[in-house]
Amino acid sequence: QVQLVESGGGVVQPGRSLRLSCAASGFTFSNYGMHWVRQAPGKGLEWVALISYHGNYKHYADSVKGRFTISRDNSNNTLYLQMNSLRTEDTAFYYCAKDRTPYCSGGSCWYYFDCWGQGALVTVSS
Amino acid sequence: QSALTQPASVSGSLGQSITISCTGSRSDVGGYHYVSWYQQHPGKAPKLMIYDVSNRPSGVSNRFSGSKSGNTASLTISGLQAEDEADYYCSSFSSGSTLVVFGAGTKLTVL
Repeated sequence: QVQLVESGGGVVQPGRSLRLSCAASGFTFSNYGMHWVRQAPGKGLEWVALISYHGNYKHYADSVKGRFTISRDNSNNTLYLQMNSLRTEDTAFYYCAKDRTPYCSGGSCWYYFDCWGQGALVTVSS
Repeated sequence: QSALTQPASVSGSLGQSITISCTGSRSDVGGYHYVSWYQQHPGKAPKLMIYDVSNRPSGVSNRFSGSKSGNTASLTISGLQAEDEADYYCSSFSSGSTLVVFGAGTKLTVL
């Protein structure tokens, strides 16, 4: 079955960097756009970033633009989130999520997440 | 502050029906048909329950239904069951700089 497993979370000081990984299995990873969505402890969901199935289109939330970079390795079925210049407000569970629509290049897709990982906790604290 | 407004909590008795509202603007809920709903149990990942305002993914009970009127979308759960107790989040495409916006979530208590 479809499975997404995040790794790389931990405690980091403000201003430092961290890279999250998401290992995908159970579906043809290279056919689907992928997202990162975060959730501060006890708070709601916040969409963070999107990468298209072929990796040549990326989109970021304003709150992370210029600091975070989403990427993917379709040969190894892995999604990444490079997080630089971390702030205390970036503390959250980070979920990788699969887009519902295959081969999406924009338009009426990229808006739904039909499979989620278990989440990786990132704590930014001095 | 979330872009979409949901009630903080709703409750209903076993077997009854409840409706959760989600109010946005013409830039999101009111302007597009790209509204979805997610269910999240404590300590678990969210689960897609409704997409395109009223469509259910395969495997989701037909007790869950969605609708939209103007800038407000709604999720209705009929025949409430104990396992429906969870947090529910609405989401929409946004024509602003953020691709997808969420509501703050609604905690459903089944009495």
